[in-house]
Amino acid sequence: GDSVTQTEGQVALSEEDFLTIHCNYSASGYPALFWYVQYPGEGPQFLFRASRDKEKGSSRGFEATYDKGTTSFHLRKASVQESDSAVYYCALGDPGAYKVIFGKGTHLHVLP
Amino acid sequence: NSKVIQTPRYLVKGQGQKAKMRCIPEKGHPVVFWYQQNKNNEFKFLINFQNQEVLQQIDMTEKRFSAECPSNSPCSLEIQSSEAGDSALYLCASNLTGEDYAEQFFGPGTRLTVL
Repeated sequence: GDSVTQTEGQVALSEEDFLTIHCNYSASGYPALFWYVQYPGEGPQFLFRASRDKEKGSSRGFEATYDKGTTSFHLRKASVQESDSAVYYCALGDPGAYKVIFGKGTHLHVLP
Repeated sequence: NSKVIQTPRYLVKGQGQKAKMRCIPEKGHPVVFWYQQNKNNEFKFLINFQNQEVLQQIDMTEKRFSAECPSNSPCSLEIQSSEAGDSALYLCASNLTGEDYAEQFFGPGTRLTVL
């Protein structure tokens, strides 16, 4: 079945560091790809989406580019802040199945 | 910010007890999803509805889980006989279309602890 793999379980950075969280997917067809962010005590929040090859999604300084060739949707941010500390989930929309498949999440810790 | 309301925020039950949680989707959203998030942050899709009709659900072979979204009432998820392995965060989400390309709006979750 369709799946999402996030390589990093935890990432620790200092403020103003560059962030990369790797996401690869396995799916038939052309799924929509998402990034969600979850802060402690809250449900996940939609960050952004991309639906076709080479499309870039972005929000709040975060960005990712849909790459069908490498089946990837890596999250990047040029300069992280302490307030970015949260769990980040890569996800794909399961075509025709009316649900989203989430990766296992990457816990980002940003130290002041 | 999402306006999906979930109650209660915390639920503590003994093994074998019923556990019921409710969800009010964002206004105007006809599609509702339920997910279970375990302590390792892994998501498990449970069921979704469009208005009152089930769109898709996992094979609830245990038959302990039931859900409904009645008209003009909150949606609900109920576990008939709770087990320790049911301890998790239960997340409700809603959106306009249910299509795979549409973002979902999540509530804060109900954290169930089964003693």
